[in-house]
Amino acid sequence: GDSVTQMEGPVTLSEEAFLTINCTYTATGYPSLFWYVQYPGEGLQLLLKATKADDKGSNKGFEATYRKETTSFHLEKGSVQVSDSAVYFCALSDYNAGGTSYGKLTFGQGTILTVHP
Amino acid sequence: DADVTQTPRNRITKTGKRIMLECSQTKGHDRMYWYRQDPGLGLRLIYYSFDVKDINKGEISDGYSVSRQAQAKFSLSLESAIPNQTALYFCATSFGGGYEQYFGPGTRLTVT
Repeated sequence: GDSVTQMEGPVTLSEEAFLTINCTYTATGYPSLFWYVQYPGEGLQLLLKATKADDKGSNKGFEATYRKETTSFHLEKGSVQVSDSAVYFCALSDYNAGGTSYGKLTFGQGTILTVHP
Repeated sequence: DADVTQTPRNRITKTGKRIMLECSQTKGHDRMYWYRQDPGLGLRLIYYSFDVKDINKGEISDGYSVSRQAQAKFSLSLESAIPNQTALYFCATSFGGGYEQYFGPGTRLTVT
């Protein structure tokens, strides 16, 4: 079945440091890929997405590129802020070979990011 | 007002009790989902519904049931709660396959 693997956390950085959170996936067909963020005490919200190979999703200074050849979707940000402290989830949506999506998301285990001033 | 609401936000119950978690949405989406979140495990799908008459089991449906009362309402029930159902539960909606899902704020359930 489909699966998503994220780098182990927690990740602790100083403000303005460079961030990378690795994400690799296993899927049949042609999944869409997502990064969701969960701030303390809140539900998940979409951070960015990519729907096909070589697409780059970006939002709020975060970027991730859909790499089909390495089955990866790593999240990066050039300069993190304290307000970026949250849990980050990589996810994929299922697709069958005919290109129909059932819309189910498979999540990675989440990576806790803490940014210190 | 929030697009996806969940009630209650927190609940403590005892083993063997029946409990219902409710989800409502104002986004007009047909698809609704229930997930549970456990530390270190991410979110796992319990049930999903593509419309009022189409309900499907997810990867961890044992011990749970659902009801889709209307397009906007999707309830999750624990018929006889057990301690390992202690978790954070999220409802989500989406426009369709491949589109983003919109999450509610979550219900923290503790079974003692």
